[in-house]
Amino acid sequence: DTEVTQTPKHLVMGMTNKKSLKCEQHMGHRAMYWYKQKAKKPPELMFVYSYEKLSINESVPSRFSPECPNSSLLNLHLHALQPEDSALYLCASSQMGSNQPQHFGDGTRLSIL
Amino acid sequence: AQTVTQSQPEMSVQEAETVTLSCTYDTSESDYYLFWYKQPPSRQMILVIRQEAYKQQNATENRFSVNFQKAAKSFSLKISDSQLGDAAMYFCAYRRANAGGTSYGKLTFGQGTILTVHP
Repeated sequence: DTEVTQTPKHLVMGMTNKKSLKCEQHMGHRAMYWYKQKAKKPPELMFVYSYEKLSINESVPSRFSPECPNSSLLNLHLHALQPEDSALYLCASSQMGSNQPQHFGDGTRLSIL
Repeated sequence: AQTVTQSQPEMSVQEAETVTLSCTYDTSESDYYLFWYKQPPSRQMILVIRQEAYKQQNATENRFSVNFQKAAKSFSLKISDSQLGDAAMYFCAYRRANAGGTSYGKLTFGQGTILTVHP
């Protein structure tokens, strides 16, 4: 069973739309992550939240806006995306500590028309 | 900067046989963690095994084991008694120990190895 739940599983949107991706975990993890993954490539880190505060932004364009409303939820707000933004978006969470593994969700497959 | 290299884009193995996936990394750090993740076609990335750099003993998880050679900066994954469910893309990943600030939480992934298991 997936302990990190991502919704929706698939999303198709136009370049002018506004949509949001949602991620939820109930493992008590205090670090949460957004990744972008292209087909047959490794995940690319986008954002890291530690204790609900943004700790890492990997120079992601402002059309991606993360939000961490509480310790269990992580959102990614999307606006004015480009076709090259089509990808699998993965959420992950972990306990604090460098030795702690990240637990990944199934991802949201995003297609930009 | 740390880099992780997986030199085998694709590998194949017969069911019940053993296969080894290669991973090398480059770092100037002495303390770090290494991970192997598996991503089946269903997409969810799953942790297979992890290794602490300060431990000389190689990690083992059931049919999965690693050969960690710190001096050579090598971290290979051995899958014994391969099963059809082992078919997936495998990623080797590196993480600094005690990294804070803007380095916290950063996993450096290799490019991945696609493993095919033949019945």
